[in-house]
Amino acid sequence: DAGVTQSPTHLIKTRGQQVTLRCSPKSGHDTVSWYQQALGQGPQFIFQYYEEEERQRGNFPDRFSGHQFPNYSSELNVNALLLGDSALYLCASSLKGSYNSPLHFGNGTRLTVT
Amino acid sequence: GNSVTQMEGPVTLSEEAFLTINCTYTATGYPSLFWYVQYPGEGLQLLLKATKADDKGSNKGFEATYRKETTSFHLEKGSVQVSDSAVYFCAAPIEKLTFGTGTRLTIIP
Repeated sequence: DAGVTQSPTHLIKTRGQQVTLRCSPKSGHDTVSWYQQALGQGPQFIFQYYEEEERQRGNFPDRFSGHQFPNYSSELNVNALLLGDSALYLCASSLKGSYNSPLHFGNGTRLTVT
Repeated sequence: GNSVTQMEGPVTLSEEAFLTINCTYTATGYPSLFWYVQYPGEGLQLLLKATKADDKGSNKGFEATYRKETTSFHLEKGSVQVSDSAVYFCAAPIEKLTFGTGTRLTIIP
């Protein structure tokens, strides 16, 4: 039973560039959430996707966008990268309606912006 | 507003010491509560959970009791091991899954 998988594991980009991160949810899960974890901090919620639509969004600018595909996998796109976007980006999956159920996390993508 | 407040770290203990990491939350109602652990270079793993007041979650020797009177969910372990060295996050589904700031635990032999 595959868990949450993310790619790539590491990425280095330059300021102003654009980046796409990918996530495949745990088998049987239909909801994907993205989190940003800066060094030494707790994960901060970016947004959540269900039925190919953004359902909830945290306090992140429009430079952060996403997509969910019919197979429930998801992408996170960040445009016009800033140095402050350097962080570990975590994808988590769950089942819709399971509000009180835990999320299952991938190992993350470490993004470094230079 | 709604939030999760976690004891700040870092925490350094000797092997076999007793561990407590404090966590309190503010929210409407009584959501499920979780503790996640993050080992170096990895994502977050669910350590334990409690779904209602007075529930006790336990796993790998760790325990936490959901106390609604004090809105707390403190993590405890009676005898820590070097392999417990990690960052621990308290979390609650407050609108979305909201995490505390994390407590880095280092166990020295």
